[in-house]
Amino acid sequence: AQKITQTQPGMFVQEKEAVTLDCTYDTSDPSYGLFWYKQPSSGEMIFLIYQGSYDQQNATEGRYSLNFQKARKSANLVISASQLGDSAMYFCAMREGRYGNNRLAFGKGNQVVVIP
Amino acid sequence: DAGVTQSPTHLIKTRGQQVTLRCSPKSGHDTVSWYQQALGQGPQFIFQYYEEEERQRGNFPDRFSGHQFPNYSSELNVNALLLGDSALYLCASSLIQGGYNSPLHFGNGTRLTVT
Repeated sequence: AQKITQTQPGMFVQEKEAVTLDCTYDTSDPSYGLFWYKQPSSGEMIFLIYQGSYDQQNATEGRYSLNFQKARKSANLVISASQLGDSAMYFCAMREGRYGNNRLAFGKGNQVVVIP
Repeated sequence: DAGVTQSPTHLIKTRGQQVTLRCSPKSGHDTVSWYQQALGQGPQFIFQYYEEEERQRGNFPDRFSGHQFPNYSSELNVNALLLGDSALYLCASSLIQGGYNSPLHFGNGTRLTVT
């Protein structure tokens, strides 16, 4: 069963505007972490932001923020003030909570292109 | 502080051959996992190594095997290569004590092409 769903088609965003990337997840584990990664064309997977299932507040890291709606099982990424360097694939991923689990379930990704 | 390093960066092999990919984890990390990323897809979990043992495995055949060394570095071996094995292979490391809320750090990947 697919655990992470990212369904948006490729997106074009004007420089300096904000963009929201949708992610829904499915798990029966009460303890889990949600992650967003950026993958530029070079291939490296760059960690952006994390949200834990017990966190009361939405996570923020610089221009990145995570809109966490636990009841709806959604964890949308918001990128504010887009820059040309933000053009990349963005992946939502989930890690379930049992000790030592290093298994991330990834979505299919969202392609973002920032235009000047 | 060195991040996750992988070698080689690119590799071209022929169907039926065998390949070995290498990974050195980020300094201070003790567990390594491998992912396969086909073109246009998200990464798929292959397996995880900790204390030199395979701890969990994704839905991959036995042709995929691995190893972890005492210095925490790791190898991924793929035997009897198929065209469908062409992909970007990513290595990720973390500290097992970090728990589910610590991010995995990824290397730049090895791009394998099977002809």
